[in-house]
Amino acid sequence: QQQVRQSPQSLTVWEGETAILNCSYEDSTFDYFPWYHQFPGESPALLIAIRPVSNKKEDGRFTIFFNKREKKFSLHIADSQPGDSATYFCAASAGTNTGKLTFGDGTVLTVKP
Amino acid sequence: DPKIIQKPKYLVAVTGSEKILICEQYLGHNAMYWYRQSAKKPLEFMFSYSYQKLMDNQTASSRFQPQSSKKNHLDLQITALKPDDSATYFCASSQDRDSDYTFGSGTRLLVI
Repeated sequence: QQQVRQSPQSLTVWEGETAILNCSYEDSTFDYFPWYHQFPGESPALLIAIRPVSNKKEDGRFTIFFNKREKKFSLHIADSQPGDSATYFCAASAGTNTGKLTFGDGTVLTVKP
Repeated sequence: DPKIIQKPKYLVAVTGSEKILICEQYLGHNAMYWYRQSAKKPLEFMFSYSYQKLMDNQTASSRFQPQSSKKNHLDLQITALKPDDSATYFCASSQDRDSDYTFGSGTRLLVI
């Protein structure tokens, strides 16, 4: 059973558009939802994270929208740039547990100039 | 300077051999982790340690053994290597178990 589902597998947008990446989860004890990006040959790096006390978090061009009732959260990348082209992973964990992050399978984002 | 050091960066091993992957973090974090990344499973949790104690083990095989000699060290010993073990192994750390992660640069293992 995959606990964190991510879609789409790949996404292509034009420079300046908003890219929307989606995730859903199963475990209702999850209470921490980060997004990571990974460039080829590099390690994953934290982009932005949210806890369910709020349903939205912004950091520059990156915004997480969170829907606890539907167990969904999404990453919106506004004004996408070619440099944003990377693989994006959503993840989830339960704060009272072992620190384990459960990752989605990733979305490969391509931003065309 | 890298805050999490993983050694070696690349590793080629023969089937059946044993290797140790090294991880040291200089972030003062209390929790450390191992993840595996391959084409089959993009980021797969293996182990978590907190204050040098094993908190979670999600690896099905006892061939994978974490070793924590110091608070900022978490090495990974892999015995009886198989070609299926070929992957990139990432070490990560966080201040506490519910804090943001920092990943190391990874060890790329190829088993032939």
